[in-house]
Amino acid sequence: AQSVAQPEDQVNVAEGNPLTVKCTYSVSGNPYLFWYVQYPNRGLQFLLKYITGDNLVKGSYGFEAEFNKSQTSFHLKKPSALVSDSALYFCAVRLQGNLIFGKGTKLSVKP
Amino acid sequence: EAGVTQFPSHSVIEKGQTVTLRCDPISGHDNLYWYRRVMGKEIKFLLHFVKESKQDESGMPNNRFLAERTGGTYSTLKVQPAELEDSGVYFCASSHRRSKEETQYFGPGTRLLVL
Repeated sequence: AQSVAQPEDQVNVAEGNPLTVKCTYSVSGNPYLFWYVQYPNRGLQFLLKYITGDNLVKGSYGFEAEFNKSQTSFHLKKPSALVSDSALYFCAVRLQGNLIFGKGTKLSVKP
Repeated sequence: EAGVTQFPSHSVIEKGQTVTLRCDPISGHDNLYWYRRVMGKEIKFLLHFVKESKQDESGMPNNRFLAERTGGTYSTLKVQPAELEDSGVYFCASSHRRSKEETQYFGPGTRLLVL
């Protein structure tokens, strides 16, 4: 079965430190990969996506993600975390029409 | 450009009642998707419209759920009768094209609580 795993329910980072939110996937074929963020009381906002080409994808708010085909991973990264980055992050893959999501990772950035 | 809007933002109903959720996609977006997130679990796909036609409804949990998109603009999702396990956040998303690389833009969600 197609699935997306976000192994950490929560990630805690100090402001200014680098952050990584992990995502691995198990799908057949060549998926397209997405990251979305949900701020409190808001909807899902698109951050970035990998379609093809360079394995390092840059997105909104200084985030980037690295596609690793051999490890079937698409980890989200940011060199220097901000308190305002605190939110719920969702990784998703797409084979056909719909998105398949992970459970989400709560990122908490402390001052 | 207005984003995807959903109404209501919250709904609290009793088991056995009927609730109708509405989604207005981004203007010009032919593709409309419904998803649901039950507490603490993954966001799961429910169905996909292309204009007014149901392209894929494989994620609809049972026949208590009815989705419509008359005229190919806004969509409604009706739950009748509602059960406790229907509680969760219902998201709507839209995209211009149905190609795999196309980004889906999400609304704020409707938080449904069935008591």
